[in-house]
This record gives sequence, structure tokens and C-alpha cells, in this order.
Amino acid sequence: QKEVEQDPGPLSVPEGAIVSLNCTYSNSAFQYFMWYRQYSRKGPELLMYTYSSGNKEDGRFTAQVDKSSKYISLFIRDSQPSDSATYLCAMSGDSNYQLIWGAGTKLIIKP
Amino acid sequence: DGGITQSPKYLFRKEGQNVTLSCEQNLNHDAMYWYRQDPGQGLRLIYYSQIVNDFQKGDIAEGYSVSREKKESFPLTVTSAQKNPTAFYLCASSIAGVLNTEAFFGQGTRLTVV
Repeated sequence: QKEVEQDPGPLSVPEGAIVSLNCTYSNSAFQYFMWYRQYSRKGPELLMYTYSSGNKEDGRFTAQVDKSSKYISLFIRDSQPSDSATYLCAMSGDSNYQLIWGAGTKLIIKP
Repeated sequence: DGGITQSPKYLFRKEGQNVTLSCEQNLNHDAMYWYRQDPGQGLRLIYYSQIVNDFQKGDIAEGYSVSREKKESFPLTVTSAQKNPTAFYLCASSIAGVLNTEAFFGQGTRLTVV
């Protein structure tokens, strides 16, 4: 079993829809949770960063962490074709210098 | 503009050859990393360096080598010992040596064995 599970998709939704992207994990020591966006043939860029549990909002994006369920989510409101990309979750613990990555979910927003 | 520059963007290697991928950053970051990305898999850490003249193996270091002679440079050599080198290689850097700070990525090098 992988330490971080993420559905690879593709997930295809119409423009304007609310998108929900998710990751599950098995290591209860994880405290730092990140979402990266990666456009085709480019390097990932940090989208959202959350420490421990709770929600964090930034414009159309909301990151949610539920440590009791070992489940994190990224919500995108009013999705745009420019949001079409692969979304990678990543996480680490206080004593762990490494980021553990999900496989990434390919998201397609149809105009 | 500050950032990370990887070169070349595309690289072709013959069987049995060593090749070196370049990574340069002008962000004044102490920590630098090399990742490998394969389709359907998460990023896997090859090597990382927290400070000049020091580096550590990641999860898949076999068949790879690195050097960190300068703060801004962290080249990766893919040796002939790497049995399946065809992949997308990503270099990253961060302020501190702990990866719970933002990692900035280069644009990647796609290596193909021909």
C-alpha cells in the first residue's frame, strides 16, 4: 500500500463546476500538507499549504485537512479551462525532511 | 528574475552513456533536490543537498550521482548503471533543508534512452 493515495483521473468537468480533488494517507505523523499544480511538460508550482488540520482558502481554492480520517481535499470553485492541469498532493511530518507525493490527478475543464 | 533553470529541456542518451543534467538557481536557497517523475507515479527523490559540499541519497539514488560545489548549482549525472533512465527529471530548491517549506521547481528535463 502506498503511503499517499491519489486517484490519477482524468477528471473531466464543465467550466464553472466545483471541483473536488482528494488524497488519503496512512502516516499519522504527517503535519504539513501541500497541493501543487503541474501544467503539461512543466515543473510543479505550489498552490496551497496547510499545517495540521483545518481549512485554508485562497481565492477560488480551498484546502481541507481531516487528520482523523487521514484525508485531504482541494476544492476549486468556478473552475476555468486554465485550471486544466495535474494536481499533486504532498505531505511531510515534523521530523521527516522528505515530501511524500501522491501520483497526481489530471483535471480537464471543458469550455 | 529569480528561479531555477534546468537544461537541456530534452536529452537523448545512447545505451551505456553517462549524461549530466544541469540545475542552477539564483534564489539563494540552501537546499536543492532532484526528483524523477514517471507516468502514474508520484515524484521520487533521487538526491538532496542541504548545504554546499554535502548531499544525501534519496529513495532511488542507484545509478545516479550528484555534486554540490557551489550553492547555486546541483548537477545530476545519470550513469550507465541506471537501468531505466527514461523519465522526466525535476530539480527543486527550498530556503531551508526541511521540506516543510515551499519547494520551487525548474521546468524539467525529459531524458530518453535511444
